[in-house]
Amino acid sequence: DAKTTQPPSMDCAEGRAANLPCNHSTISGNEYVYWYRQIHSQGPQYIIHGLKNNETNEMASLIITEDRKSSTLILPHATLRDTAVYYCIVRPSELIQGAQKLVFGQGTRLTINP
Amino acid sequence: NAGVMQNPRHLVRRRGQEARLRCSPMKGHSHVYWYRQLPEEGLKFMVYLQKENIIDESGMPKERFSAEFPKEGPSILRIQQVVRGDSAAYFCASSPQQGPQAAFFGQGTRLTVV
Repeated sequence: DAKTTQPPSMDCAEGRAANLPCNHSTISGNEYVYWYRQIHSQGPQYIIHGLKNNETNEMASLIITEDRKSSTLILPHATLRDTAVYYCIVRPSELIQGAQKLVFGQGTRLTINP
Repeated sequence: NAGVMQNPRHLVRRRGQEARLRCSPMKGHSHVYWYRQLPEEGLKFMVYLQKENIIDESGMPKERFSAEFPKEGPSILRIQQVVRGDSAAYFCASSPQQGPQAAFFGQGTRLTVV
């Protein structure tokens, strides 16, 4: 079972920042937070991941709370092409038997409106 | 650096035939994961392999399904005696050996059983 909780759907206006929340209150100290998205029926696309510090790359920013129990993915200037299902996943960094796989929940269906 | 390559992209099989799905991981990646996505459903983990070794097959159906990742060549997901319920998109992901690096997905193979 997924160890994260996300809202099932969100809307955002084109050009605005999209902020996608994720709760992972049972996260362990060695678990990273990963974000993926799936556009229509394509293969999931990696976005970003982090442990405890905020992270930024060319696609998005990841803000992790100090207690690490929740995080927010930020798409700074959403475009129509960002419409997708976004998945927040926690995964340990070390090889722990049965734990290295990515477990996908239901994700958040983000719709960018023109 | 080529991404994860899956072939074929589309596969049609008659009930009772065998389906072979191939996955070539990214260069330098020694871990492969297989996922299944039924129509209008989420991504379900099937199996996690290293070269010549199955690490976690907790998501594999007990019968008709098998997977391998030989020392040389792609990873193969094999479905024997396919049934209509096997119709789905099958995605493969790869990651480097251990550590927190992200896993990257291929574009999937869409299996249709007629």
